[in-house]
Amino acid sequence: GQSLEQPSEVTAVEGAIVQINCTYQTSGFYGLSWYQQHDGGAPTFLSYNALDGLEETGRFSSFLSRSDSYGYLLLQELQMKDSASYFCAASGSARQLTFGSGTQLTVLP
Amino acid sequence: DTAVSQTPKYLVTQMGNDKSIKCEQNLGHDTMYWYKQDSKKFLKIMFSYNNKELIINETVPNRFSPKSPDKAHLNLHINSLELGDSAVYFCASSPAGVTEAFFGQGTRLTVV
Repeated sequence: GQSLEQPSEVTAVEGAIVQINCTYQTSGFYGLSWYQQHDGGAPTFLSYNALDGLEETGRFSSFLSRSDSYGYLLLQELQMKDSASYFCAASGSARQLTFGSGTQLTVLP
Repeated sequence: DTAVSQTPKYLVTQMGNDKSIKCEQNLGHDTMYWYKQDSKKFLKIMFSYNNKELIINETVPNRFSPKSPDKAHLNLHINSLELGDSAVYFCASSPAGVTEAFFGQGTRLTVV
């Protein structure tokens, strides 16, 4: 089976940088992905890491350390519209995609 | 030109009824999923199908039965609905490597 842990809430101000951590325990791990979900909406894909290191996509970056079973999502130049829930998800064998419990990010003016 | 579409978006029904949620993807993906998201926003996987075959069947009541008539469709049928079934149900699909998943708009099911 797979389990992922991430903080339940994070608060930051506009323009700041915030990091959302994710630790995982899994068998047959393929990679770690991140999703954003606004209230009332569907999860949308942000990034995917299969190898160790940093992946950058605009203001968002994602990091993976397979040896530490750890990853994070880094959001820079925070905007009000970034207020949402963020989920890490582990891809595994048997076509599994298991999600963490989500981190509610609140961006303050 | 929606990638993953599910219907209906809202479903209000009485306890004991049987209902279905339909899902279709036009991305050519091999794998489709059903997730349940409760009020605490936890996304719990229910079923995973690959090329019409069940891969994962997490611990869900057998009142829930997925049906995949072809690779592009994965419908969810629920018998004898209970109050605790109230949640948002998401259909999703992913390519073979499960590098990313595309979600439908969700179906908010309310059982009264």
